[in-house]
Amino acid sequence: DTGVSQDPRHKITKRGQNVTFRCDPISEHNRLYWYRQTLGQGPEFLTYFQNEAQLEKSRLLSDRFSAERPKGSFSTLEIQRTEQGDSAMYLCASSPQGNNQPQHFGDGTRLSIL
Amino acid sequence: SQKIEQNSEALNIQEGKTATLTCNYTNYSPAYLQWYRQDPGRGPVFLLLIRENEKEKRKERLKVTFDTTLKQSLFHITASQPADSATYLCALDMRYSSASKIIFGSGTRLSIRP
Repeated sequence: DTGVSQDPRHKITKRGQNVTFRCDPISEHNRLYWYRQTLGQGPEFLTYFQNEAQLEKSRLLSDRFSAERPKGSFSTLEIQRTEQGDSAMYLCASSPQGNNQPQHFGDGTRLSIL
Repeated sequence: SQKIEQNSEALNIQEGKTATLTCNYTNYSPAYLQWYRQDPGRGPVFLLLIRENEKEKRKERLKVTFDTTLKQSLFHITASQPADSATYLCALDMRYSSASKIIFGSGTRLSIRP
């Protein structure tokens, strides 16, 4: 079990630029989640995949955000035209299918918008 | 909408004592409730899960209770150690439609002083 890995760990960019983050889940997990976390808060759900299908998106996920999981393995989260309010930690988690499965988190990508 | 409150932002206790963290929620009871530990700059790590029909769950020095009447979960760490210092997150699985969506509380920062 190599765990969930996220890349990059840190990203600093200017407002208005596009950024893309990658998440590699635990290989046998078919569920993948993206969360956003700001200082002093818990993770906020953004979106969820089962295999390659994106089954749910939060209202937090504006049209500047898009996520993909093309082959049901790794996933990418893209933010277009970044804004200062996008500064946060973006966390990815994966879990097996089935009830009562805990989520395994990566260590996140910290995004800072200048 | 469902709201989660964790008792305090920070809790500071003496090594060896029992730490008790509280998680209260509003509205309807979740299918199950999870507790995670988060260290600075890291993703949350799953600790324990308790189902709505369970009253108590234990794992080594950890104990979780779940009272659906009070809409409350308590998380206990007995014989606390400085290494237990971290932020502890309560998470509710709201399970609706075909997705498994977890809502996190904002966490309680626990400090164990030697």
